[in-house]
Amino acid sequence: GDSVTQMEGPVTLSEEAFLTINCTYTATGYPSLFWYVQYPGEGLQLLLKATKADDKGSNKGFEATYRKETTSFHLEKGSVQVSDSAVYFCALVGQAGTALIFGKGTTLSVSS
Amino acid sequence: DTGVSQDPRHKITKRGQNVTFRCDPISEHNRLYWYRQTLGQGPEFLTYFQNEAQLEKSRLLSDRFSAERPKGSFSTLEIQRTEQGDSAMYLCASSLGAGGSGNTIYFGEGSWLTVV
Repeated sequence: GDSVTQMEGPVTLSEEAFLTINCTYTATGYPSLFWYVQYPGEGLQLLLKATKADDKGSNKGFEATYRKETTSFHLEKGSVQVSDSAVYFCALVGQAGTALIFGKGTTLSVSS
Repeated sequence: DTGVSQDPRHKITKRGQNVTFRCDPISEHNRLYWYRQTLGQGPEFLTYFQNEAQLEKSRLLSDRFSAERPKGSFSTLEIQRTEQGDSAMYLCASSLGAGGSGNTIYFGEGSWLTVV
């Protein structure tokens, strides 16, 4: 079945450092890909998405590119802030469009 | 525009008791989803509805779990004869149309269940 694998955390960075969180997926056909973020004490929020190969999703300085050839959707940000500290989840919706399938999440901690 | 609303936000129950969670989706969203999230894990898909029809329920964790959406609006998730392993956060989400293809799935803040 469809699945998502993302890098284990926690990831600990200093403010203004470069961030990469790796995500790869297994799915038949052409899934839609997502990054959700969960800030402390809050619910899951959509951060960005890409619905077809080579699409780039972006929001709040975060970017991720849908790479069909490597089945990846890595999350990047050029300069992280303390306020980016959260848990980040990579997810997909399969071609059948049933429901989101999530990775285990990566905790990001940014210090000033 | 109100978001997805879940009630109660926290529930402590004794092992063996039944619990019910309610979810009110975003108005006019025809799809409604239930997930379970345990500490250190990503949300695990349980079931979903399109309007009042439950289209997928094979991932419900056991026959102690059931969900309804009788009028295609709010939904309930019931857990019968709770066990300590049921302790988790139960998330509800909704979307207008199928997720993916430009349709965003919105999540509520979750209902925490502790079974003692």
